[in-house]
Amino acid sequence: AQKITQTQPGMFVQEKEAVTLDCTYDTSDPSYGLFWYKQPSSGEMIFLIYQGSYDQQNATEGRYSLNFQKARKSANLVISASQLGDSAMYFCAMRETTSNTGKLIFGQGTTLQVKP
Amino acid sequence: EAGVAQSPRYKIIEKRQSVAFWCNPISGHATLYWYQQILGQGPKLLIQFQNNGVVDDSQLPKDRFSAERLKGVDSTLKIQPAKLEDSAVYLCASSLVGGGKTSTDTQYFGPGTRLTVL
Repeated sequence: AQKITQTQPGMFVQEKEAVTLDCTYDTSDPSYGLFWYKQPSSGEMIFLIYQGSYDQQNATEGRYSLNFQKARKSANLVISASQLGDSAMYFCAMRETTSNTGKLIFGQGTTLQVKP
Repeated sequence: EAGVAQSPRYKIIEKRQSVAFWCNPISGHATLYWYQQILGQGPKLLIQFQNNGVVDDSQLPKDRFSAERLKGVDSTLKIQPAKLEDSAVYLCASSLVGGGKTSTDTQYFGPGTRLTVL
């Protein structure tokens, strides 16, 4: 069965420093898509970045980049130059591949706190 | 462009009462999703619509939950009767196309409805 694992319940980072949030996944399908979402205390899930399993390069979006290591089945999110507004819950998700619905399977999330 | 709208934002009810949530997706998005997010967990899909047809409702507790998407636009999710374990945030999301295991189609979420069942 497909599964997403985020092993860090909580992380702290100093403002302006970089931080890496871990995500490992389990699937036997060679084709899949991986997503990261940010959930502030307001509750809305905000899309950050996408990585396809066949993408040749690691995805980047502004201060967000994805460290994709296919052989290790990991898709870690790197946030550079952390800002106070980055304090939130972060979820890694994988598009489910056993059906063709495109639904997302989420990890349990990592809470990030940025310290001034 | 307006995002996904949901109402109400908060709801407190007694167990065995009924409750309904409303969602209006991003204009033009064919696929609509309802997720349940229990405190401390990631969201779990309850039901997925493609236009006004159900694509996946395998995780929907059909004895108490129902959902509809009339005219393929906005949607309502109902719980009747509610149980204590239904306390959660109910998130609505929409995407342009939906489906496909390698699709880059991104799901955009609304602010959610926080339900407390006493």
